[in-house]
Amino acid sequence: QVQLVQSGAEMKKPGASVRVSCMASGYTFTDYYIHWVRQAPGQGLEWMGWINPNSGGTKYAQKILGRVTMTRDTSINTAYMDLSRLRSDDTAVYFCARFYSSGWSLDYWGQGTLVTVSP
Amino acid sequence: DIQMTQSPSPLSASVGDRVTITCRASQSISNYLNWYQQKPGKAPKLLIYAASSLQSGVPSRFSGSGSGTDFTLTISSLQPEDFATYYCQHSYSTPYTFGQGTKLDIK
Repeated sequence: QVQLVQSGAEMKKPGASVRVSCMASGYTFTDYYIHWVRQAPGQGLEWMGWINPNSGGTKYAQKILGRVTMTRDTSINTAYMDLSRLRSDDTAVYFCARFYSSGWSLDYWGQGTLVTVSP
Repeated sequence: DIQMTQSPSPLSASVGDRVTITCRASQSISNYLNWYQQKPGKAPKLLIYAASSLQSGVPSRFSGSGSGTDFTLTISSLQPEDFATYYCQHSYSTPYTFGQGTKLDIK
């Protein structure tokens, strides 16, 4: 069965960087884009961008451009989201999700990773 | 960027009710519209893709309709497990923005 398993919660200080990983199983990793979505406490969902695990190509939301980098390691079926120069408003749960190209939708999601940015 | 606006928010209803949630896009998105359900502390779950296609395993009481700029999610007969927050999302062009969410709670 398809699974996306994310790394554990992180606590960071303002200005630091964080890496969240997303390990895929149950399907061919390079056949489906991985998207990242975040959710601040008590707030809605915010789309962050995607990575094509086959080519490594990426697309990022304008709001975080310059601070976000999405990469992948196909040898271990894992996608990564790095966010730098963290601010308090980056405190959120970060989700990875598989993009189902036939339906243009996010059909499987990771469990979420809480990133807390606090002095 | 395409803006997505949901209504109503919040929404109170009872078990057995028929409920409809509306999502409006700021420009035409054809049928590139998806609906997700999210429960507290959990990841979103895909319910409807391409405006009206039911995701595998999702109960048939959920249905979606619309095209262009106006879309609806309908739950034909609310069950206790349906009380959650619902989000629409377009996938027409990046950024794939979400609506602000509709919290469906018990009346």
